[in-house]
Amino acid sequence: GNSVTQMEGPVTLSEEAFLTINCTYTATGYPSLFWYVQYPGEGLQLLLKATKADDKGSNKGFEATYRKETTSFHLEKGSVQVSDSAVYFCALSPYSSASKIIFGSGTRLSIRP
Amino acid sequence: EAGVAQSPRYKIIEKRQSVAFWCNPISGHATLYWYQQILGQGPKLLIQFQNNGVVDDSQLPKDRFSAERLKGVDSTLKIQPAKLEDSAVYLCASSYDSYEQYFGPGTRLTVT
Repeated sequence: GNSVTQMEGPVTLSEEAFLTINCTYTATGYPSLFWYVQYPGEGLQLLLKATKADDKGSNKGFEATYRKETTSFHLEKGSVQVSDSAVYFCALSPYSSASKIIFGSGTRLSIRP
Repeated sequence: EAGVAQSPRYKIIEKRQSVAFWCNPISGHATLYWYQQILGQGPKLLIQFQNNGVVDDSQLPKDRFSAERLKGVDSTLKIQPAKLEDSAVYLCASSYDSYEQYFGPGTRLTVT
């Protein structure tokens, strides 16, 4: 079946540190991959997406590359800010059901000033 | 552009009671989704509507959960009777092109 596994949190970093949140997936076919972010007290927001192998999604300084050979979509940011503190969800949309999104369990990120 | 609206934001009920949640999607979005997010887990799709028709309700516990989307706009999700394990955040989302979904702030349900 289709599933997403992401690193457990919480992750705590100092401001300006480098961030990596690991995400791997299991899917048949060629899924689309997403990172969603949930800021405190707010709804889920799409952060970035990639729809085919080797695509790189990017937004707000965050990047993730669709790696089919390793079935991974790791989220990275070169220098985190306090405002990046949130819960991050890796997700996929199966090729066979483009509108159905399957989420990972989420990784809580806290940034210290 | 107004986002997805949900109400109420918080609800506390006793087990075996009933509860209803309301969602107003972004104007023009034909697809509407309801998700259940249990603490510490990612959202799980309960039901998907395309206009006022159901596309996918395979994970909706139909013995106690029901949902409708009259006139293809607003939607209501109901639980009757509620169980302790229904404590969760209920998220509504809508989309125009079936790829990017826009989420509302959610309704936090506590069943005691």
